[in-house]
Amino acid sequence: DAKTTQPPSMDCAEGRAANLPCNHSTISGNEYVYWYRQIHSQGPQYIIHGLKNNETNEMASLIITEDRKSSTLILPHATLRDTAVYYCIVRLVSYNTDKLIFGTGTRLQVFP
Amino acid sequence: DGGITQSPKYLFRKEGQNVTLSCEQNLNHDAMYWYRQDPGQGLRLIYYSQIVNDFQKGDIAEGYSVSREKKESFPLTVTSAQKNPTAFYLCASSRAGQGQPQHFGDGTRLSIL
Repeated sequence: DAKTTQPPSMDCAEGRAANLPCNHSTISGNEYVYWYRQIHSQGPQYIIHGLKNNETNEMASLIITEDRKSSTLILPHATLRDTAVYYCIVRLVSYNTDKLIFGTGTRLQVFP
Repeated sequence: DGGITQSPKYLFRKEGQNVTLSCEQNLNHDAMYWYRQDPGQGLRLIYYSQIVNDFQKGDIAEGYSVSREKKESFPLTVTSAQKNPTAFYLCASSRAGQGQPQHFGDGTRLSIL
């Protein structure tokens, strides 16, 4: 299974951009990269996903390197409510499985 | 509102008892999933179902059972065979098709008395 590596924690000032890196050097050509975040005692919230191209939605932007071995989630203007654990995930889909492979994530702390 | 509803939010079980966690979705999603989360860790897949009346084991299915009699419902039973059931249980659903994101409910926290 492709696995991801993220820094355990990061800080970001409110109003600034938060750039969260992720390494997925063993990703296969048909595996998507997903980003979720989780606030304590709640279910993970879907943020964005991509395969090869950069993606943007109302929450964030996802930058995937050309070799697909790493990606960066960008929160353009972080707020205090963005404080959460952020998971970079590769989804493994085959004839007998369909699962999100979670790591331990990055704990993002946004400070005033 | 469309979404995934898990109930109850907190659940307590006595040793030796089976307990069933509810998961309902009104998103018309074909696929549904159960994950377990332990403190400080990521999620691990217990079971998943891609269509009604069919389901597959995930990585940690031992001591759990599921059913998928209706598209919108995917209950999880934690049996007495599960030796360490205390955890945060999360249900998710997604549309069919590669690349479709999974959307999660708010979870059920199960504790042993």
